Amino acid sequence: DGGITQSPKYLFRKEGQNVTLSCEQNLNHDAMYWYRQDPGQGLRLIYYSQIVNDFQKGDIAEGYSVSREKKESFPLTVTSAQKNPTAFYLCASSGRGVGELFFGEGSRLTVL
Amino acid sequence: RKEVEQDPGPFNVPEGATVAFNCTYSNSASQSFFWYRQDCRKEPKLLMSVYSSGNEDGRFTAQLNRASQYISLLIRDSKLSDSATYLCVVKAPGGTGGSYIPTFGRGTSLIVHP
Repeated sequence: DGGITQSPKYLFRKEGQNVTLSCEQNLNHDAMYWYRQDPGQGLRLIYYSQIVNDFQKGDIAEGYSVSREKKESFPLTVTSAQKNPTAFYLCASSGRGVGELFFGEGSRLTVL
Repeated sequence: RKEVEQDPGPFNVPEGATVAFNCTYSNSASQSFFWYRQDCRKEPKLLMSVYSSGNEDGRFTAQLNRASQYISLLIRDSKLSDSATYLCVVKAPGGTGGSYIPTFGRGTSLIVHP
């Protein structure tokens, strides 16, 4: 079945450690996005990519990094520079046009 | 001013009620519009796209008013299972090569009680 797969679903990290969240899609979508959601809050855009080997900062990119070496994959690294990384992270993809977004099931990161 | 605005609610309604949500957007170049539903601790899922002529899917009706730059979602005969957060999403031109960037509203919480 086509879709988006995020892993891991739950992740615990010690302060000062970097962690990488995986996002893979087999929908042949050009555009991919990473969002952060805090309890009771909306989705905030971290990074997005509209084509392989290119990506753009969103509203809250500080402390995060991404790569887009393959069309199917858009991993997000939460670095130790991110001061408050505990959150629900959502990956999405869409065509580059006006179509809808498809979401993965999310990754819940907790910093201990 | 936030690009996409929604009343956060919560809207607390009895079963069987009709409830309406509005969402306003600031970018007049916006081209596509969606309503997503998000259950607690889950990913958002597409409820329906919003077309210029308005569209209906069972108990749900979506409308677009380009002149006033808002979209609406009407839920008739509310069910307990409709309890969720409803997110408004607007796509506007941006980025490179004719791409469109989605912007989310903060969501409106709906609680349907017996």
